[in-house]
Amino acid sequence: GQQLNQSPQSMFIQEGEDVSMNCTSSSIFNTWLWYKQDPGEGPVLLIALYKAGELTSNGRLTAQFGITRKDSFLNISASIPSDVGIYFCAGPDYNQGGKLIFGQGTELSVKP
Amino acid sequence: SQTIHQWPATLVQPVGSPLSLECTVEGTSNPNLYWYRQAAGRGLQLLFYSVGIGQISSEVPQNLSASRPQDRQFILSSKKLLLSDSGFYLCAWAQGYEQYFGPGTRLTVT
Repeated sequence: GQQLNQSPQSMFIQEGEDVSMNCTSSSIFNTWLWYKQDPGEGPVLLIALYKAGELTSNGRLTAQFGITRKDSFLNISASIPSDVGIYFCAGPDYNQGGKLIFGQGTELSVKP
Repeated sequence: SQTIHQWPATLVQPVGSPLSLECTVEGTSNPNLYWYRQAAGRGLQLLFYSVGIGQISSEVPQNLSASRPQDRQFILSSKKLLLSDSGFYLCAWAQGYEQYFGPGTRLTVT
């Protein structure tokens, strides 16, 4: 089946630094979703992308739908301590009724 | 606006005991509903999904079951818990492909 590979698996950065993470697949996706999960809570949808090449921002977060439709990127500018958490990418598996496939997550730690 | 509730928030149960976790959604009708489990680490494993009352699809064979007795209610059950059932259980509802998660239930089987 389809799989999503996220990298890096974890990141340790200093407060104020910019962050970049990505999600790749061997299959084409027509939708990319980015979620953030705070420790002990459910994932929260940050950004949804529906068009190849689309660039969408949500505050300090910017996500891009790769032009090949096989990847997506999430950038966080000027990181702050509350950015700590696990970031997941997700996309619908069209062979299984559109159920979401999730990447394994990128765990972000921010040092004040 | 839509909200999703899960309870209990945490649960400690002995091996062999029954389980019932509840999820309810407000502010939308006939949503697709999902149960996920997240073990230590981070992967989200889809357990069950439902497209309507009484319609349940199982993704992973195991000793868990799900039911949808009402349009906006989704229940996860087990007759006898195993140690391996410990984890963080998440319910979600969908609007198109976008899924929205509840706060989760932390289950520890002892």
